[in-house]
Amino acid sequence: SQTIHQWPATLVQPVGSPLSLECTVEGTSNPNLYWYRQAAGRGLQLLFYSVGIGQISSEVPQNLSASRPQDRQFILSSKKLLLSDSGFYLCAWRAGSVANSGANVLTFGAGSRLTVL
Amino acid sequence: SQQGEEDPQALSIQEGENATMNCSYKTSINNLQWYRQNSGRGLVHLILIRSNEREKHSGRLRVTLDTSKKSSSLLITASRAADTASYFCATAPGWGKFQFGAGTQVVVTP
Repeated sequence: SQTIHQWPATLVQPVGSPLSLECTVEGTSNPNLYWYRQAAGRGLQLLFYSVGIGQISSEVPQNLSASRPQDRQFILSSKKLLLSDSGFYLCAWRAGSVANSGANVLTFGAGSRLTVL
Repeated sequence: SQQGEEDPQALSIQEGENATMNCSYKTSINNLQWYRQNSGRGLVHLILIRSNEREKHSGRLRVTLDTSKKSSSLLITASRAADTASYFCATAPGWGKFQFGAGTQVVVTP
């Protein structure tokens, strides 16, 4: 069965410090991968999505970047965090093949709560 | 911009009552999905309804879709305290770009 792991679960970082959130998926190959951010009590904002290694689509210009160094690994980074980067970050995946019925459904990780002080 | 918008923003009911929430979207869709999020957790997929379907059931969940009005509703029957969560609708107007609304926060009191 497929599983998704996201870490760290929580972190508190000072303004101006770097950030690295990691997400890995097991039990599938060539997944589509996503990073979302959720502000407190709000909906999800799509930040990045990737259809393959090294292929990243950025949805919102911001202080963040994403990388996909391996097929099932997706990393969210920042060189210098801002206060506005605080939030709940969610990684998600779906099957990459349109022939797969699971391609219509997102599976989410448990989330990473970032507080920038 | 958000593709889906849920209504109401918050809903408080007692156990045994039904909970109904609505979702409106802006562009044409192939399907619409509903997800649930417990506080501080990731989202979990509940149900998917295709654009050529008008109603779908899954356990105590009933989803309707009206493509002419670009709207959907989620009904939870005989609510339980464990149904307390936020509920989101999602669409993917562009390939792979799942977009979510702001959600409806449901509180079910015993």
